Amino acid sequence: DAKTTQPNSMESNEEEPVHLPCNHSTISGTDYIHWYRQLPSQGPEYVIHGLTSNVNNRMASLAIAEDRKSSTLILHRATLRDAAVYYCILNYGQNFVFGPGTRLSVLP
Amino acid sequence: DVKVTQSSRYLVKRTGEKVFLECVQDMDHENMFWYRQDPGLGLRLIYFSYDVKMKEKGDIPEGYSVSREKKERFSLILESASTNQTSMYLCASSTLQGAVGANVLTFGAGSRLTVL
Repeated sequence: DAKTTQPNSMESNEEEPVHLPCNHSTISGTDYIHWYRQLPSQGPEYVIHGLTSNVNNRMASLAIAEDRKSSTLILHRATLRDAAVYYCILNYGQNFVFGPGTRLSVLP
Repeated sequence: DVKVTQSSRYLVKRTGEKVFLECVQDMDHENMFWYRQDPGLGLRLIYFSYDVKMKEKGDIPEGYSVSREKKERFSLILESASTNQTSMYLCASSTLQGAVGANVLTFGAGSRLTVL
C-alpha cells in the first residue's frame, strides 16, 4: 500500500492560515489524495480530495504538487474548532490506509 | 443530514462474552467498513463489505467476524471478547463519486469497547 508521511504535530494561531504538508512519494497514477480530520471524541470526517489539480471547497483547499509526490492542505483562517488530528490518505477503490496523522493545535 | 449511526457509544464486556457492534447508514451506500483505532496505531481496517452478504478481510480480521444481511446495516461480531480487543471501533460507509471517482468515507461517532 502506498504510504503517506506527515508531521506529528503543528501549531497555529487563531485566524491565521495553516498549511499542513503530506509526502506521498510512492503514489500511483490512480491514487486519489484524501484529507480527513478527527475532532476529539468523534469519528473522522471528510475534508477534501483531489487527483491532479488543486481543489477548493467550503472547508479547505488542497494544493497538489505537479509530480503528485506531495500535497498541502490549506485552512485559510484557523479557528479553535479546527483543532483536530488531520489525516492524509491515498485512496484507490475501497483501499484507505490511515497513518497517525498531524495533530493541529490552534492557539487563541 | 446523512448519517452513519453506531448503536452504542460505550460498552463494557467481560472476557469470553460475545459482542455485537451494530452500524446503520441511511445514504444507500454500497460499501461499509469497520475500523479499530488505538493510540499510536491510527485506524486499522478489520473488515469491509461492498454489497449485501459480501465481505472482505481487512488488515486485522483475526478474532472478528461481520454480517451484512441488509444494505444499510453492517455488524461487527466479537465471538469471544478478549482484553486486547479493548479499543475504539469506527464504522464507515462510502460510495463512488463520479464515473471514475474516489470513494469518500462517512464515519459514525465510534463505539468505545472495554473488555475486562
